[in-house]
Amino acid sequence: AQSVTQPDIHITVSEGASLELRCNYSYGATPYLFWYVQSPGQGLQLLLKYFSGDTLVQGIKGFEAEFKRSQSSFNLRKPSVHWSDAAEYFCAVGAPYNNNDMRFGAGTRLTVKP
Amino acid sequence: ETGVTQSPTHLIKTRGQQVTLRCSSQSGHNTVSWYQQALGQGPQFIFQYYREEENGRGNFPPRFSGLQFPNYSSELNVNALELDDSALYLCASSSWGSGNTIYFGEGSWLTVV
Repeated sequence: AQSVTQPDIHITVSEGASLELRCNYSYGATPYLFWYVQSPGQGLQLLLKYFSGDTLVQGIKGFEAEFKRSQSSFNLRKPSVHWSDAAEYFCAVGAPYNNNDMRFGAGTRLTVKP
Repeated sequence: ETGVTQSPTHLIKTRGQQVTLRCSSQSGHNTVSWYQQALGQGPQFIFQYYREEENGRGNFPPRFSGLQFPNYSSELNVNALELDDSALYLCASSSWGSGNTIYFGEGSWLTVV
């Protein structure tokens, strides 16, 4: 069965600094990977997804993620963080037959210092 | 705006009661999944419906049940509510298959007292 681990519960970065959020997955076959963002009291917004092909995936709001099969990782990055990026970030892996069956990590809460 | 609408947005129930949550999928989507997100945790997969049939279930007891209607809207029913059922319940709709974008609603906040 697929599973996701987000090792960092909470990360604090200064505005303008770079960001990397870690995600490790467990799945036997080619994974379908996602990053979502959730602001307080809101639903989930898709940042980016990886299904196949180029291992560096570009998303919305200036985010990107790199799929590394050898490390079972799908880390999210942003070169320069904005105060509005403060939120909860979730990595997820989808079932191959239908991605609407997803397993989420526990999330990483991002705080941005002025 | 995802085109997925959930109702009600907030509700409070008493332990032992029953609750029904509703989801209107985005037009053309034939698959809907429900997720439970407890405070401070990631969403947990409850079950999925495809063409009105349950097609996949997570680690949730039978008192969690659902329906999908011919227009692909959906309901989540929870019987014999427990305090631990307090959570945000998210509906996600998509077309069946891999590679399709999944759209989440804003969720229904359930508090059990």
